[in-house]
Amino acid sequence: SQTIHQWPATLVQPVGSPLSLECTVEGTSNPNLYWYRQAAGRGLQLLFYSVGIGQISSEVPQNLSASRPQDRQFILSSKKLLLSDSGFYLCAWSFLRGEANFGPGTRLLVL
Amino acid sequence: AQSVTQLDSQVPVFEEAPVELRCNYSSSVSVYLFWYVQYPNQGLQLLLKYLSGSTLVKGINGFEAEFNKSQTSFHLRKPSVHISDTAEYFCAVSEKTSYDKVIFGPGTSLSVIP
Repeated sequence: SQTIHQWPATLVQPVGSPLSLECTVEGTSNPNLYWYRQAAGRGLQLLFYSVGIGQISSEVPQNLSASRPQDRQFILSSKKLLLSDSGFYLCAWSFLRGEANFGPGTRLLVL
Repeated sequence: AQSVTQLDSQVPVFEEAPVELRCNYSSSVSVYLFWYVQYPNQGLQLLLKYLSGSTLVKGINGFEAEFNKSQTSFHLRKPSVHISDTAEYFCAVSEKTSYDKVIFGPGTSLSVIP
């Protein structure tokens, strides 16, 4: 069976500091990978998706970037965090029919 | 590009009453449709999905949804809600021609009142 891991679960960072969130998937090969952000009281915003190693599509211009150095690894980064980057970050994978399977999420608070 | 609308941001309903959460989508091609549930401080869990075939889809926890192609809708229903159904519900769509993106609606917060 497939599992998806995200870490850390919670993160508190000062404004201007860098960020690295990691997501790994087990039990599947060449999945589509996604980063979503959920701000307080708001829906899910698709940030990035990837259909293969090194292939990243950005949905919205912002302070964040994503990389996929390995088939089942997806990293969300920032060089300098903003207050507006606070939120709940969810990694997900899908295969074929687009059904997204979510990780447990990382709650980021930028102070 | 596909998009999803959930017109009701909040739906309060009394326990054991029926509920319908509305979802409409926009796409120029055929789509797959999904409903997800998010309980407080948790990730998202798939409730049900429409891929093809029967337009009435049954999911977990007694929920069902009906795909209406002419109205581009995929409304979620439950005949009798429980307190434990209090959660955020998200409708999502993925285009069949290029299943590289799953787009979510803004969500509907269901509050079940005892």
